[in-house]
Amino acid sequence: DTGVSQNPRHKITKRGQNVTFRCDPISEHNRLYWYRQTLGQGPEFLTYFQNEAQLEKSRLLSDRFSAERPKGSFSTLEIQRTEQGDSAMYLCASSLEGSFYGYTFGSGTRLTVV
Amino acid sequence: QQPVQSPQAVILREGEDAVINCSSSKALYSVHWYRQKHGEAPVFLMILLKGGEQKGHEKISASFNEKKQQSSLYLTASQLSYSGTYFCGTEEDNNAGNMLTFGGGTRLMVKP
Repeated sequence: DTGVSQNPRHKITKRGQNVTFRCDPISEHNRLYWYRQTLGQGPEFLTYFQNEAQLEKSRLLSDRFSAERPKGSFSTLEIQRTEQGDSAMYLCASSLEGSFYGYTFGSGTRLTVV
Repeated sequence: QQPVQSPQAVILREGEDAVINCSSSKALYSVHWYRQKHGEAPVFLMILLKGGEQKGHEKISASFNEKKQQSSLYLTASQLSYSGTYFCGTEEDNNAGNMLTFGGGTRLMVKP
């Protein structure tokens, strides 16, 4: 297994455009998480899936953000009508329920909104 | 509300020891520790569970005070490779799944 894969690694977009990121978790992991990280800060929780069900969504997440995990495999995070404040590193992580090995993070997608 | 980490930054010489603290205002089920090097993803170091169980790296130890909802990470005989930002992630004890809330991080620099 090659770990958690995220694409693209970098995305530059104009304000107002929509963007979509993809995350491929470790195949045995049934839990998948999206976090956002800005420079000098810790990862901030966005949303979390157990298999294909979205179980938790941050109250800070505006309705411009949506995430899916069809068939409990890969996940996509879409941001509509991007704003400059959306510029950040978007991290995906996966874990196995009941495991003591924590999260495995992907390398992230760095979004720059210009 | 995110856990509070202290100190915010620390500089060590190779071979010195360091302690990083993490404090939460919530009742916790577990505390995780991660290290992130510049431009890289956070990497799991250790998990401490309510009740005393812990799993993690051999050269890194940690404690979890359930009464105070505080955890400390102990880095002994530091090596250059220990440099990076350390984050604690806390899981609340309310059956909400194992979603973690991360602290603001502690930047550690180990110099030769």
